[in-house]
Order: sequence, then C-alpha cells, then structure tokens
Amino acid sequence: EAQVTQNPRYLITVTGKKLTVTCSQNMNHEYMSWYRQDPGLGLRQIYYSMNVEVTDKGDVPEGYKVSRKEKRNFPLILESPSPNQTSLYFCASSLGTGNQPQHFGDGTRLSIL
Amino acid sequence: EDQVTQSPEALRLQEGESSSLNCSYTVSGLRGLFWYRQDPGKGPEFLFTLYSAGEEKEKERLKATLTKKESFLHITAPKPEDSATYLCAVQRGSGANNLFFGTGTRLTVIP
Repeated sequence: EAQVTQNPRYLITVTGKKLTVTCSQNMNHEYMSWYRQDPGLGLRQIYYSMNVEVTDKGDVPEGYKVSRKEKRNFPLILESPSPNQTSLYFCASSLGTGNQPQHFGDGTRLSIL
Repeated sequence: EDQVTQSPEALRLQEGESSSLNCSYTVSGLRGLFWYRQDPGKGPEFLFTLYSAGEEKEKERLKATLTKKESFLHITAPKPEDSATYLCAVQRGSGANNLFFGTGTRLTVIP
C-alpha cells in the first residue's frame, strides 16, 4: 500500500531535549516536505526537499533541521525543542516538483513542556 | 503578500442540503489550486487540482470550480460521511512543489 509513515505519532518531551521525527515514503517520490498545523494558522511549510541531498527552507524553518540522505526518508530534527514548537506535524511527498498532488502522513503530535 | 482565505470557518448542513465552500486567493504566479479533505486524527487527503480559470472537476458529490480570484467547492446532497475539514491550497511561483494553505472549513452534515 502506498503510504507516508511518520513516527512517533505522539510525543511529550521537555524543553531542550533533542528529538527526531522520522518520515518514510514507499512511492519512490522525489519531493518531500514537512508542515506544522496550528489552530487558526493552518498548515505551514517548514522544510522541503526536491531530491536526495537537496533541501530548502519553507515558511517557518527556525528551530528545525532536516536531512535527505536517501530518497525514501526525510527526518525532521528539533535539536533544542521549545514550547512554541508544540504542534501537529505532517510529512508529505509527491512524485515530482510539478503540479503533482502531495500525499500526507497521519501526523505527529508533539508536546514540549 | 500571498494569501488564501477560506469561508465559512464552519458549516453545519442537514443531510441532503447542498451548499458551497469558498476559497479566495491572492498569489503571484498561481501554478495550481488544490482541495484536500482532512478527517480528525488524519493527514489531508487529496481531492482535486485546478489549473486555470473556468476549469471544473467533479468527484461523487463534490465539484470544484476556479476563477481568477477564488475557488468554490460545491457539495450536492451531502451525507454524514462528508463531514470533515476541507482545505484549500495554492501552489505558487516556479520551481518547487510548495503549497500555501488556507485554514480550512469544518463541515458537519447532520443526519
């Protein structure tokens, strides 16, 4: 089954403790992206990657890092999480960088105390 | 500044009561407008892509239309299973497949 898989689905942690949210897709997609979703603000793009070893900032990249060492994986790294990064995070992928629709994972709810 | 505004924020309909959701946008270089459906606890699920003014797409009880300034998602004779949040997003500029989302319309269909 074609899917985007995120782990963990839920995480409660404390300020300053480094964490990684993994994202993997099995569709051989070139493009991958991370979003955060906050009430009243909608989905906002954090980082995206157009291919292996190619990453770029989205609209809200501060406090986040990403890497794209393999085509299928696109982890999101919070090196020193803060409470304002408490949010619902989604990973997405698409076949290419044209008008192809993005396929989303089911989200990771992060709470940073 | 790019902007996507969806209205209403929330909509309650009786089963069978048709209505429309609005997505108005201001974006430089629109490459495509996307509609997604999001159920609680799930990621957005793709519904439609519209590329140019005058274009229409249909899927079951849903029909999406596009003008130069807005898009409508028409829901004909909705059923309770159509209850969800509907998101509109625009693909802007050139190059990467980056989406800019509105805040969504939460639709509730009452049996």
